[in-house]
Amino acid sequence: GENVEQHPSTLSVQEGDSAVIKCTYSDSASNYFPWYKQELGKRPQLIIDIRSNVGEKKDQRIAVTLNKTAKHFSLHITETQPEDSAVYFCAARLSNSGYALNFGKGTSLLVTP
Amino acid sequence: DSGVTQTPKHLITATGQRVTLRCSPRSGDLSVYWYQQSLDQGLQFLIQYYNGEERAKGNILERFSAQQFPDLHSELNLSSLELGDSALYFCASSDPRAGTIQETQYFGPGTRLLVL
Repeated sequence: GENVEQHPSTLSVQEGDSAVIKCTYSDSASNYFPWYKQELGKRPQLIIDIRSNVGEKKDQRIAVTLNKTAKHFSLHITETQPEDSAVYFCAARLSNSGYALNFGKGTSLLVTP
Repeated sequence: DSGVTQTPKHLITATGQRVTLRCSPRSGDLSVYWYQQSLDQGLQFLIQYYNGEERAKGNILERFSAQQFPDLHSELNLSSLELGDSALYFCASSDPRAGTIQETQYFGPGTRLLVL
């Protein structure tokens, strides 16, 4: 089955700096890669996603890049703000399991003022 | 608010007991997914239903079962509960129309289960 590895597990940056979170996946047939943000005690919320026919996607301060050959994708947050502090999860759609998602273990991002 | 609702918000029960978690998907969404989130295992896919039929199974224990009803709401039944079943249980819904290859999953607020 699909295996998604996510790094780092914790990340601390100063306000205004950039943050990068990286994920790798094992199933070359995976074709959809969403990123979710989860604040403490809350539900995961989709912040950006990318399809396998696209190499990069940007939405204001957030961007995601996908390298299908290397089977990795990354989340980039620029000009970080304290409210960006949360746990971020990457995921890959399981190609042989309906449309279910296989999640990475999460990255706890702390943005300090 | 994602439009996905889950009840109850919190559930405290004892080992060996059985509980039922309920999920109502967003209006029009045909697919419901159940995920378990624990501290050491992260978010794990349990099971998916599409328009009343089981579509995919993940790491769901035999003590757990689910179903989706004609009105598209879903229930996750957990029986013979163990301490290790304590976790946040999320359901998510999506609208996989024919011809699409992927679709956004919207998560509900979760049910926090504590087994004592």
